[in-house]
Amino acid sequence: QLVLTQSPSASASLGASVKLTCTLSSGHSSYAIAWHQQQPEKGPRYLMKLNSDGSHSKGDGIPDRFSGSSSGAERYLTISSLQSEDEADYYCQTWGTDIMGVFGGGTKLTVL
Amino acid sequence: EVQLVESGGGLVQPGRSLRLSCAASGFTFDDYAMHWVRQAPGKGLEWVSGISWNSGSIGYADSVKGRFTISRDNAKNSLYLQMNSLRAEDTALYYCAKSTSWNGALFGNWGQGTLVTVSS
Repeated sequence: QLVLTQSPSASASLGASVKLTCTLSSGHSSYAIAWHQQQPEKGPRYLMKLNSDGSHSKGDGIPDRFSGSSSGAERYLTISSLQSEDEADYYCQTWGTDIMGVFGGGTKLTVL
Repeated sequence: EVQLVESGGGLVQPGRSLRLSCAASGFTFDDYAMHWVRQAPGKGLEWVSGISWNSGSIGYADSVKGRFTISRDNAKNSLYLQMNSLRAEDTALYYCAKSTSWNGALFGNWGQGTLVTVSS
């Protein structure tokens, strides 16, 4: 079964960097994923598509501070030079067969 | 600029029906698959249903299969979700999402959502 696992929460200081993790279930380590950001009281926003080799393509207008990387079944989102507006929920997402989408549980990022 | 505007949400009693709509603009609608994603209060995102560019491929989450029906009208640049036999656990903000391809489920654009509340 295709499952994505995320830590429920993370925190980092203003101006620092943070690395969020999304883990693919066993047997699915070659899957690409997407990262989405959801700021408080707003709809989600697409950040990037992240491939298993670490290559990634970002959505329109996404700052260079956001980057992605991969290692085995793990997919990472790194946010550098943290700003207050980066405080948000971050969801990883992938896709299966038959036009099916799958979300991780989300990570709530607090900027200290 | 891609715009997705959902409508049709509201308060509905358990067991009743509701039809959501998503009006799309700013892109060639019939080139892309479209999806519905929902978010229960205080919870994470849950994929609900998706439909390919020509309606040839359709999928549903197990939680809504047999009760919800997704459809699209490419002439009207519109996506729909017919929701029948609604339950309290269907209470959520429902988002329309545009795929990045004709048949996939990578969500490249999102609407602002329409709230569905199922309660007596």
